[in-house]
Amino acid sequence: KQEVTQIPAALSVPEGENLVLNCSFTDSAIYNLQWFRQDPGKGLTSLLLIQSSQREQTSGRLNASLDKSSGRSTLYIAASQPGDSATYLCASRGSSASKIIFGSGTRLSIRP
Amino acid sequence: GAVVSQHPSWVICKSGTSVKIECRSLDFQATTMFWYRQFPKQSLMLMATSNEGSKATYEQGVEKDKFLINHASLTLSTLTVTSAHPEDSSFYICSAREGTGFQETQYFGPGTRLLVL
Repeated sequence: KQEVTQIPAALSVPEGENLVLNCSFTDSAIYNLQWFRQDPGKGLTSLLLIQSSQREQTSGRLNASLDKSSGRSTLYIAASQPGDSATYLCASRGSSASKIIFGSGTRLSIRP
Repeated sequence: GAVVSQHPSWVICKSGTSVKIECRSLDFQATTMFWYRQFPKQSLMLMATSNEGSKATYEQGVEKDKFLINHASLTLSTLTVTSAHPEDSSFYICSAREGTGFQETQYFGPGTRLLVL
């Protein structure tokens, strides 16, 4: 059974810093891995999706990497801004027919 | 991108009453829809998967008689919380899957906050 873990549970950094959020998964046979953002009391916004055949995806200041052999994914945020404050969730999917398994999330706070 | 809507966005009800939450895919047909529950400061937990025209598949520990799911069309799924109790208070999020294979994408609704008094 796939388990997805995110460490740390919470992170606070000053504005302008580059930061990395970590996600680990127990079953390396994944179909894809996705990073989401969730603002308080809101739904999910998809940030980046990495297919199993890919190593990374980039969108603006965000870069997500995938290392299936080690069961890890990272989300790199460059030049952080207060508007980046939110909870970031990673989620993996084992196959095209399987469900998405979410990690517990990292609550990110960017201090002005 | 595709949009998934939920209605209502929040609801307060008395204990013992039933509450219906709607999930709609606005500009695409969703062969599969998912219902998640999220407690404060916790992650999303899948409750059930529903396919249009067939019975929903519930996750272990989720009472199918309490959480009734109907997926009557390719654009609409409903979740009814029957005889709601305070412990059912939570944030309910639906998701709709579009496409197949590598073209497949899953979109999430904005969520419905339920408070049972």
